[in-house]
Amino acid sequence: NAGVTQTPKFQVLKTGQSMTLQCAQDMNHNSMYWYRQDPGMGLRLIYYSASEGTTDKGEVPNGYNVSRLNKREFSLRLESAAPSQTSVYFCASRVEGQPQHFGDGTRLSIL
Amino acid sequence: GNSVTQMEGPVTLSEEAFLTINCTYTATGYPSLFWYVQYPGEGLQLLLKATKADDKGSNKGFEATYRKETTSFHLEKGSVQVSDSAVYFCALSDRTGGFKTIFGAGTRLFVKA
Repeated sequence: NAGVTQTPKFQVLKTGQSMTLQCAQDMNHNSMYWYRQDPGMGLRLIYYSASEGTTDKGEVPNGYNVSRLNKREFSLRLESAAPSQTSVYFCASRVEGQPQHFGDGTRLSIL
Repeated sequence: GNSVTQMEGPVTLSEEAFLTINCTYTATGYPSLFWYVQYPGEGLQLLLKATKADDKGSNKGFEATYRKETTSFHLEKGSVQVSDSAVYFCALSDRTGGFKTIFGAGTRLFVKA
């Protein structure tokens, strides 16, 4: 009963370091999403993948890249971390037209 | 474009009080509407949904009715419990948005014993 699994749960980086956030789902969902959550701003879509082999920019893609490795996995990469990217990152997946299923988040601090 | 506006929090209530969290939306199509709940340290979980006008979604004592005439989807519960303390997000999804989900900013609820 894993659902959506995100790793790591917590991470502290220094400015300029790179990092990849991992996400995997075991529900055979076609669509996967990466959001960031900041106080008072709800969830903002960074990138999404409507199906294996496709990725598209969301509302706030700058400074991020993604890879849809296969149907299960969708990773988010920060090439050169900046303090403005300190946030909580959520991965989600779904079948088109149905509600999203979320992971428990990755809490990322950039010093 | 599509958008969701929900009441600012925090909302603080005593146990057994009546809860209303207002949500209004703007959409060009005919969206599905959702309420998600986020408990501390966790991701969002679907609380309830409605897919067409006049539908009522309900779960765990919470209810919300899809009102197309007022473009609203207010969340209500007759008697809140301490365990209902969480952040509540209103959201919409429709075909014209490529089925991307648009979230409101979230409303934090504190329930005191």
